[in-house]
Amino acid sequence: DTAVSQTPKYLVTQMGNDKSIKCEQNLGHDTMYWYKQDSKKFLKIMFSYNNKELIINETVPNRFSPKSPDKAHLNLHINSLELGDSAVYFCATSSGQTTQPQHFGDGTRLSIL
Amino acid sequence: QKEVEQNSGPLSVPEGAIASLNCTYSDRVSQSFFWYRQYSGKSPELIMSIYSNGDKEDGRFTAQLNKASQYVSLLIRDSQPSDSATYLCAVIGSSNTGKLIFGQGTTLQVKP
Repeated sequence: DTAVSQTPKYLVTQMGNDKSIKCEQNLGHDTMYWYKQDSKKFLKIMFSYNNKELIINETVPNRFSPKSPDKAHLNLHINSLELGDSAVYFCATSSGQTTQPQHFGDGTRLSIL
Repeated sequence: QKEVEQNSGPLSVPEGAIASLNCTYSDRVSQSFFWYRQYSGKSPELIMSIYSNGDKEDGRFTAQLNKASQYVSLLIRDSQPSDSATYLCAVIGSSNTGKLIFGQGTTLQVKP
């Protein structure tokens, strides 16, 4: 039973389209995150939610919109996809305390044609 | 200056040797430090966390933290080919948001 699961694992789409990535966790953690890993493998935080409340909102184009319907889910919607959005997107979770380690999902590889 | 810096490598060691991976960070009041291992095409996997100065050992892995020098390292004893991966140093800085800042990773190659 996967602790942090993301869907889809692969997403290939055309420039200009709108797409969503979903994340679900069964660890009972309070905080969920979205990270982007670019082609140079650099991993950078985008957003975090704690108990459905937006906590971290990094300098990310407003074409990216996170949504947390409940504590166990955090989705990422991307409008008007651009070539530069091609990357691997990871969801992660941690317990409520902000010093605790984060546990990552398997990632969604997004390729823009 | 990057917030978290690592030598990208590759670091190549023979099987059975000790691999030493290093990381420096810029936020002097950082409190939480982590090492993640990432195999090619896979997600980062937590292997060590350290919060206090000194050494912390877990099996073949030892994390070392020196807050005065703003330096954290990971030693892997008896390196195995299966240890070949990218090792990511990550730091939670002074904000109370849990924002995890990653280094660019060091690629380790263990040669049989």
